[in-house]
Amino acid sequence: QVQLQESGPGLVKPSQTLSLTCTVSGASVSSGGFYWSWIRQFPGKGLEWIGNIYSSGITYYHLSFKSRVSISIDTSKNQFSLKLTSVTAADTAVYYCARVTTTSDSDYFDSWGQGTLLTVSS
Amino acid sequence: SYVLTQSPSVSVAPGKTARITCGGHNIGDKSVHWYQQKRGQAPVLVIYFDSDRPSGIPERFSGSNSGNTATLTISRVEAGDEADYYCQVWDSDTDHREVFGGGTKLTVL
Repeated sequence: QVQLQESGPGLVKPSQTLSLTCTVSGASVSSGGFYWSWIRQFPGKGLEWIGNIYSSGITYYHLSFKSRVSISIDTSKNQFSLKLTSVTAADTAVYYCARVTTTSDSDYFDSWGQGTLLTVSS
Repeated sequence: SYVLTQSPSVSVAPGKTARITCGGHNIGDKSVHWYQQKRGQAPVLVIYFDSDRPSGIPERFSGSNSGNTATLTISRVEAGDEADYYCQVWDSDTDHREVFGGGTKLTVL
């Protein structure tokens, strides 16, 4: 059974770069048919998709993040990572990593990490 | 961008049936997926491709999708079903790609 675990600093200062890593076990990030994804959730609010990456390095990003976000993948470590530049307090949220099953018809999130709270504050 | 609309809350007595809706323009032409998120936990996939259940999800959970509305139905509701429920579609036409509804809080009375 696939397991995902987010790791990161917990606290980032405004204007700095947020960096999170997702370590995958029980599956290979090189496997075909899956994207690897980042999603965030503001306190007490809904889910917001950030972006996806395929094992080949192909990425898709939410339009509102495009200028600030970068997702990368390290197949040797079975990890993928998120970088979000120029953070503000509005980026304070729980960040989830997830596996996305992708088909010609649709994508869905079949496995999720437990989430990590990231606070932006000076 | 594609928008999914969910009612903020639904309340139901134990043993009754809960119906949670997800509205979108011609959503019946898309595949809809549903997630359950209990307080303090990560979301869990409960329905995919409109009506398929992952292994381990009770048969009490079912889904349908037609026209402008997709529906998650929970039969014989239990106290443990109390959670937020989110619908999601893949929007291939835009960079928004993965779209979530705003979520519905299911309260078991």
